[in-house]
Amino acid sequence: EVQLLESGGGLVQPGGSLRLSCAASGFTFSSYAMNWVRQAPGKGLEWVSVVTASGGNTYYADSVKGRFTISRDNSKNTLYLQMNSLRAEDTAVYYCAKGWALGYFDCWGQGTLVTVSS
Amino acid sequence: DIVLTQSPATLSLSPGERATLSCRASQSVSSYLAWYQQKPGQAPRLLIYDASNRATGIPARFSGSGSGTDFTLTISSLEPEDFAVYYCQQRSNWQYTFGQGTKLEIK
Repeated sequence: EVQLLESGGGLVQPGGSLRLSCAASGFTFSSYAMNWVRQAPGKGLEWVSVVTASGGNTYYADSVKGRFTISRDNSKNTLYLQMNSLRAEDTAVYYCAKGWALGYFDCWGQGTLVTVSS
Repeated sequence: DIVLTQSPATLSLSPGERATLSCRASQSVSSYLAWYQQKPGQAPRLLIYDASNRATGIPARFSGSGSGTDFTLTISSLEPEDFAVYYCQQRSNWQYTFGQGTKLEIK
């Protein structure tokens, strides 16, 4: 059974940093692109970033480009999101999502809440 | 970036009725469109990919159609568990976007 378990969320002040992790199991992690998708409270879904299976290529939404960095450690079956220069509008539940068929998301974690507030 | 616009924002129907949800793209996405279902407090679930293919384990009452800029998700006969929020999503050129969602509520 595929499992994705996010961690690292919490309360951070504007301008601060946070690193999210996503531990994966139940599938060959190194064979799939991995994504972060977020959802602000009471709002819709927003794709944040993707990293290819090898980790060699990364892509970002314009809203986070230059502030967030996605990475992965295939030896540890773990996905990361380093978030810097955080803003109030980054407040959201952050989901780790397994990529499938070149751009869809077929398995999701339960999410970790990031709150940016003073 | 490609903008996806879903309509209606809210759809009020009764169990057993047919639901038709729409998604329009600001430019052609070919058939590269998916639909997701999200229930309160849960992560989204993939229903349909490449516009018309059901994901693993998705009941046959869910179907998708369309290509280019206009897409439809149809639920042929609503079950109580189908009342949720539905999102469309496109996968163009490593820049993915979601629609704003349609809330399907019990009438």
